[in-house]
Amino acid sequence: DAKTTQPNSMESNEEEPVHLPCNHSTISGTDYIHWYRQLPSQGPEYVIHGLTSNVNNRMASLAIAEDRKSSTLILHRATLRDAAVYYCILRDSAGGTSYGKLTFGQGTILTVHP
Amino acid sequence: EAGVVQSPRYKIIEKKQPVAFWCNPISGHNTLYWYRQNLGQGPELLIRYENEEAVDDSQLPKDRFSAERLKGVDSTLKIQPAELGDSAVYLCASSLRESGRELFFGEGSRLTVL
Repeated sequence: DAKTTQPNSMESNEEEPVHLPCNHSTISGTDYIHWYRQLPSQGPEYVIHGLTSNVNNRMASLAIAEDRKSSTLILHRATLRDAAVYYCILRDSAGGTSYGKLTFGQGTILTVHP
Repeated sequence: EAGVVQSPRYKIIEKKQPVAFWCNPISGHNTLYWYRQNLGQGPELLIRYENEEAVDDSQLPKDRFSAERLKGVDSTLKIQPAELGDSAVYLCASSLRESGRELFFGEGSRLTVL
């Protein structure tokens, strides 16, 4: 499984933008980049995903480097409810037993200060 | 629409006792996952089903863990006998099969083995 590297923790102030980095230097051409977050005592929640182009949705934006070896999740205005563990995950789409598999790492603990 | 439903939410048992967890995925989702999450760690995949077929059970400790997905809908994960190290949160998730589609997670079942 291709692996990702994220900082253990990050801090932000409320209503400020947050940029969460992720390195995935061994990404293959068929891997999607997925981001999930997990609030305390809840299951992980889908945030956003992309393959090559930058993506935007109501929750966040995903900026993908041109060589796809890194990506950044952007929360445009952090709120206290955004405090969570954020996971950057590569999801294989090539087929075989790894098809669709989602392998979580340690993630980044985001703390948002009021 | 109802999300992924898991039960029980909490379970406390003594070691060597059996335990079972139940999951009802989102209607129409043909892929179902069981993950285990230890304290402070990211979720790790135990087993993945495509309809009623287990397509990836390489991480399932088969000596004491078993799972089934009858008729490709509900699923049950069983541990017999439980050990102290099985204390964790057991998460169920479901998705459509297409590789880019997101996983929807339940709230999890927290197991404590005494």
